[in-house]
Amino acid sequence: DIQMIQSPSTLSASVGDRVTITCRASQSISNWLAWYQQKPGKAPKLLIYKASTLESGVPSRFSGSGSGTEFTLTINSLQPDDFVTYYCQQYHSYWTFGQGTKVEVK
Amino acid sequence: EVQLVQSGAEVKKPGESLNISCQASGYIFTNYWIGWVRQMTGKGLEWMGIVYPRDSDTRYSPSFQGQVTISADKSINTAYLQWSSLKASDTAMFYCVRLADGMDVWGQGTTVTVSS
Repeated sequence: DIQMIQSPSTLSASVGDRVTITCRASQSISNWLAWYQQKPGKAPKLLIYKASTLESGVPSRFSGSGSGTEFTLTINSLQPDDFVTYYCQQYHSYWTFGQGTKVEVK
Repeated sequence: EVQLVQSGAEVKKPGESLNISCQASGYIFTNYWIGWVRQMTGKGLEWMGIVYPRDSDTRYSPSFQGQVTISADKSINTAYLQWSSLKASDTAMFYCVRLADGMDVWGQGTTVTVSS
C-alpha cells in the first residue's frame, strides 16, 4: 500500500498570508496526486489533480507542484474562506489520503 | 449539472442490515467508476471500494473487503453501499464519489449511526 504523509497537521496563519502544505508518498506516484478542501459539515471538494492542474472554478490563489514522492499545495493570499481542512490523495495505485491539514486563524 | 445525490441519514442497531444509495445525474453513468469514502467523526478520509456501473466490476480496499458490499444498477443510475450486519464501529459519514482525475464529484454524504 502507498502511504501518504501530510504536514503539518495544523497550520496557523493570517488573512493574506502565503501558506504551503506538503505531502510525501511512500513510493513514487509520478504526478497522480490530488488535493481536496473540506469545509466543516461538507463533502470534500477537488482543488487540484495531476499534482498541478487546477480544477475548473477553483481560484487561482491555489496551486500545486511536485512529482515522484514530494508534493506541495500553496495558497497565496489566504482568504477567510480558506481556513478549513485540506487533504492530499494519491491515485497511482488505488487511492490513499493524507491525514489532513487544518488551516486555522493565528 | 453533474451531481451525486445520496440517501438520507440512517440510525440502526448493531446486527441490522443497511443499504445506502447514490444516484447520479448529469453525465453518462456507465462511463465512470463510482467509489465510496468513509469519514469517521473528526477523522480523515478512507477509500472503501469502487464499482464500474457498465459491468459491475468491483474492487475493495483491503480494510473493507468482506465488511461491505458495493454494487450498481445502471438502469437507474444508482450505486449502493451495503452492510449485512452493522457494528457500532460502522458509525460514520459515507460519501459516494465519481472517479475521474481524482474524485471530481462528491455526494452530499450519508450519516450512519449504529447504536443499541
